[in-house]
Amino acid sequence: EILLTQSPVSLSLSPGERATLSCRTSETIGNGYLAWYQQKPGQAPRLLIYGASSRAADIPDRFSGSGSGTDFTLTISRLETEDFAIYYCQCYGRSTYTFGQGTKLEIK
Amino acid sequence: QLKESGPGLVRPSETLSLTCSVSGDSISSIHHYWGWVRQLPGKGLQWLGTSYFNRNTYYNPSLSGRVTVSVDTSMNQLSLSLSSVTAADTGVYYCARRRNSAYDFDYWGQGALVTVSS
Repeated sequence: EILLTQSPVSLSLSPGERATLSCRTSETIGNGYLAWYQQKPGQAPRLLIYGASSRAADIPDRFSGSGSGTDFTLTISRLETEDFAIYYCQCYGRSTYTFGQGTKLEIK
Repeated sequence: QLKESGPGLVRPSETLSLTCSVSGDSISSIHHYWGWVRQLPGKGLQWLGTSYFNRNTYYNPSLSGRVTVSVDTSMNQLSLSLSSVTAADTGVYYCARRRNSAYDFDYWGQGALVTVSS
C-alpha cells in the first residue's frame, strides 16, 4: 500500500493569504494518480484537483495543484472564508486508493 | 446524484449492508466505476471497494475479505456488505463515482452514518 503523508497537520491563516499544503507519497506515482479534496463539517468530500494539476468542474482558479514523483502541492492563492476546511490528498497505486490523513485549514 | 440508504445501527459480528441509489446517470455506463469510501470518527477517509458495470470489482486488501461491492443494473444501484463488524467499523459510509479516464472520485453521496453497537 502506498502511504501518503500530508503536512502540515493544521494551518492557521487569514482570508486573503496564500495557503500551501503538501502531500508526500511513500513511492513514486504517476501524475495522473494524485487528487485533492476539500471536506467541510457534515459534508462529503468535494473533488478539487485531479491528475495532480487539473481543476475539477466548477472549482475556482484560486485552487491549483502541482508536483510530481513523490511530492505534490495544493495551493490556494487568496483564501476566502469558505476555503477553511479539511483538505485530503488521494492517490491510486497497486490497484488501491489511499487517502492522506488531512490538513485542517483554520481561520487565524 | 448518489444517495446511500440502510440501517443506521448494526450489532457486532453481524453484516453491515448499504445501498446507493444512482440518479441522473447510469450505473451501466462504460465511463464510470462506482465505489464505497468510509470515514471513521475523527479520522480520515478509507477506500473500501470499487465495481464496474461488468461486475469487475476491486477491494481494499486491508479489510481481509470482509467487503463485498456489487452493482444492480436493473435498479441502478450499488450495494455494500461488510461482514463481522465491530465497533471499529462505526462511521460514515459514502458511495462515490470514479470516471473511467481518471483515478479519483468526482461525485459523492451525502453519506450514511452507521453505528455498530449491541
